Amino acid sequence: GAVVSQHPSRVICKSGTSVKIECRSLDFQATTMFWYRQFPKKSLMLMATSNEGSKATYEQGVEKDKFLINHASLTLSTLTVTSAHPEDSSFYICSAGRGASGPYEQYFGPGTRLTVT
Amino acid sequence: KQEVTQIPAALSVPEGENLVLNCSFTDSAIYNLQWFRQDPGKGLTSLLLIQSSQREQTSGRLNASLDKSSGRSTLYIAASQPGDSATYLCAVLTQGGSEKLVFGKGTKLTVNP
Repeated sequence: GAVVSQHPSRVICKSGTSVKIECRSLDFQATTMFWYRQFPKKSLMLMATSNEGSKATYEQGVEKDKFLINHASLTLSTLTVTSAHPEDSSFYICSAGRGASGPYEQYFGPGTRLTVT
Repeated sequence: KQEVTQIPAALSVPEGENLVLNCSFTDSAIYNLQWFRQDPGKGLTSLLLIQSSQREQTSGRLNASLDKSSGRSTLYIAASQPGDSATYLCAVLTQGGSEKLVFGKGTKLTVNP
């Protein structure tokens, strides 16, 4: 149990377009999901915490108008990178928190490789 | 602000060797510490989770220890195999206003046949 999927696994888009990444918890309900970004040879950095039915909480330095997060159901959160630029190219990983309340054990998706040309 | 450091950044060993990966964190106010494995271009696989009240956890050839007061954890891998080659990440779940998993940069392990 505790499987998290992400779609797509890889995406290449042109500069200026928007890209949506989906994160789904397949066999459990997740009130809270988390979005991370990973640069080469760097730590995973938390971008935002997504709560079902409410606005996401963004980490300092993350532009909420650029990285739109929607958590419309207990099994789905989406991250939309708007007006993508080459510097947005990165590996994006989501996780889903299991449990009625924190602290959550987080289960991670397989990641999405975004390349902006 | 919690900071997690992993040493060494990279490690290359011959098959069969026992090895230790190190992780240190600056703030001992944590719920738990977790070790992950990441293969190139892939997501994270959780290996071991140690609650703040625990000292160690074991799974197969892996043993993780936690010394919360000194802010240290080690991951011991016994009888290493080429299939163990991957990047190993340490992360702590911080207490305080917002629970966050704070990650180290990882140790890239290569086990040579």
